[in-house]
Amino acid sequence: GAVVSQHPSWVICKSGTSVKIECRSLDFQATTMFWYRQFPKQSLMLMATSNEGSKATYEQGVEKDKFLINHASLTLSTLTVTSAHPEDSSFYICSASQGGGMGYGYTFGSGTRLTVV
Amino acid sequence: DAKTTQPPSMDCAEGRAANLPCNHSTISGNEYVYWYRQIHSQGPQYIIHGLKNNETNEMASLIITEDRKSSTLILPHATLRDTAVYYCIVRVVGELIFGQGTELSVKP
Repeated sequence: GAVVSQHPSWVICKSGTSVKIECRSLDFQATTMFWYRQFPKQSLMLMATSNEGSKATYEQGVEKDKFLINHASLTLSTLTVTSAHPEDSSFYICSASQGGGMGYGYTFGSGTRLTVV
Repeated sequence: DAKTTQPPSMDCAEGRAANLPCNHSTISGNEYVYWYRQIHSQGPQYIIHGLKNNETNEMASLIITEDRKSSTLILPHATLRDTAVYYCIVRVVGELIFGQGTELSVKP
């Protein structure tokens, strides 16, 4: 089945630094990838939609200059949290679609636990 | 995409069937019903999806009512490893929007 690899699985960084999270589709090409954020005891919140070769589309309230998304190839999307602050500490999850139109599901990465100290 | 309503929590005895309901009364004709689950601190896992007909795979069965306004996910023989939050989502294409889901606790 389709596999999405997300790296790192956890990261601790100092306030003010930047952190990059990678999301790779291992055995399929993903034209579109999605980035979610999840706070403790809450559901997943969609942050942005990433399309290969074009600018990401951000959800309302998500700062595009703070959460930089790059989708330079059909198998790799990256999320960079710039100038991270403690309130950015969260569980970040990516997902990718094999495409093919209606009826296809999405495969999710295993998530990245970000802690900003 | 249409919204879904799920009970916040359910318990199930190990070895018994777990029946998780979902209401999606405003679903449109071309929207699929998807079920995912999330085990603590992991990414969501795809379970099953359907449009009109009932579906079954190695993980679960999906029963969709004739009017498509509700569905039930059935785990035929729940194990402790099925303890997770289960999400029912309806969509056509594009992003998956997650609701609060049902926290299923399978107890010995």
